[in-house]
Amino acid sequence: EAGVAQSPRYKIIEKRQSVAFWCNPISGHATLYWYQQILGQGPKLLIQFQNNGVVDDSQLPKDRFSAERLKGVDSTLKIQPAKLEDSAVYLCASSQEAGEISYNEQFFGPGTRLTVL
Amino acid sequence: AQKVTQAQTEISVVEKEDVTLDCVYETRDTTYYLFWYKQPPSGELVFLIRRNSFDEQNEISGRYSWNFQKSTSSFNFTITASQVVDSAVYFCALSEPYGGATNKLIFGTGTLLAVQP
Repeated sequence: EAGVAQSPRYKIIEKRQSVAFWCNPISGHATLYWYQQILGQGPKLLIQFQNNGVVDDSQLPKDRFSAERLKGVDSTLKIQPAKLEDSAVYLCASSQEAGEISYNEQFFGPGTRLTVL
Repeated sequence: AQKVTQAQTEISVVEKEDVTLDCVYETRDTTYYLFWYKQPPSGELVFLIRRNSFDEQNEISGRYSWNFQKSTSSFNFTITASQVVDSAVYFCALSEPYGGATNKLIFGTGTLLAVQP
């Protein structure tokens, strides 16, 4: 079974530029997550999709970050304009449909390392 | 508020030593899940274990063991006879059922384990 795919693996941009990251979840997984991991910290959830609807985006800086999940499969996370503090690894994860009673394991992709100069 | 604390920032041991990674959590809910993930230098988060709040039995898997104590809100992880391949950052995480079912993970700041040959 193929894992979560992300691209690019690395990206270097200058501040005020825009950037986009792509994620392809495991086939059949209804739930997709984007996490931000700043160096020396644990991952922090930015946004969660269930199929193509947003379940939680409470920690997404909506003035500069946006995300979409087309047709409930692939997802794109965009930053526009980027700031120095956006330098981090952006991790995508997917799971079977999230439920209140049971828990479905999240599988993580390799991440995209963003450096903002 | 939900919070996960990993007080040990870095631990260095010599191969074959036993090592324990500490994790303390805070939550208001009575139903929750606890996790440990491994993040090797490649960056991908690797799932190690999940425990639910109703199951306080300790678990052993090969050289790994976990001690869950609700009375002290701790979920510690022990590696017996450590090996160089165990070198990685280890994250403890907490998840709660939430309203419309987010299952989001709240991570600690991680413990960097270095196993010297």
